[in-house]
Amino acid sequence: GEDVEQSLFLSVREGDSSVINCTYTDSSSTYLYWYKQEPGAGLQLLTYIFSNMDMKQDQRLTVLLNKKDKHLSLRIADTQTGDSAIYFCAESKGVSGGYNKLIFGAGTRLAVHP
Amino acid sequence: EPEVTQTPSHQVTQMGQEVILRCVPISNHLYFYWYRQILGQKVEFLVSFYNNEISEKSEIFDDQFSVERPDGSNFTLKIRSTKLEDSAMYFCASSERLAGGLLETQYFGPGTRLLVL
Repeated sequence: GEDVEQSLFLSVREGDSSVINCTYTDSSSTYLYWYKQEPGAGLQLLTYIFSNMDMKQDQRLTVLLNKKDKHLSLRIADTQTGDSAIYFCAESKGVSGGYNKLIFGAGTRLAVHP
Repeated sequence: EPEVTQTPSHQVTQMGQEVILRCVPISNHLYFYWYRQILGQKVEFLVSFYNNEISEKSEIFDDQFSVERPDGSNFTLKIRSTKLEDSAMYFCASSERLAGGLLETQYFGPGTRLLVL
């Protein structure tokens, strides 16, 4: 089946690192994505990782992928109050038939406090 | 930086009325999508569209929904007879390619919040 699971809430102190975890189901997914949604706003593409990679670093963001366990994580270093948002993990559904759709997790609400 | 735009940002309608949600995808993108997010729930795929045809649709996308690319820039989602349960945020997305590398990355618009009374 199609299911992407995430923990619902994470609270961190400003300056600490945040780690948001995700598990997915489709081993044929080519790309895995992290999107950020601020209150009342749309989905902003944060970062992505190709399925044959283990890690990707992009400034304060580090994505780790454990393909064997189908586990994806997003680490935000030096978390700031502006990072408070909902973070969605998404997998790209397999491309058989030539189509591509994203399957989203429920989102992790990150709260950053002083 | 090119972006996907959507209008209106908010729409309130009476149950049974028709609504049209509009999107302008990124100009060199060829693949278009609609997703929806009911308040507090997951973002759900509705439909993908390419070459003036629906390429994939979900169970949610029943006969009351339709999509159209009426001209070279707009992509619309029509809901013929709205129901209370259609209240949600509707996101349009576009990608340059269907699959095969980074070009399949979907970029989302800011969404239209639809409220059906």
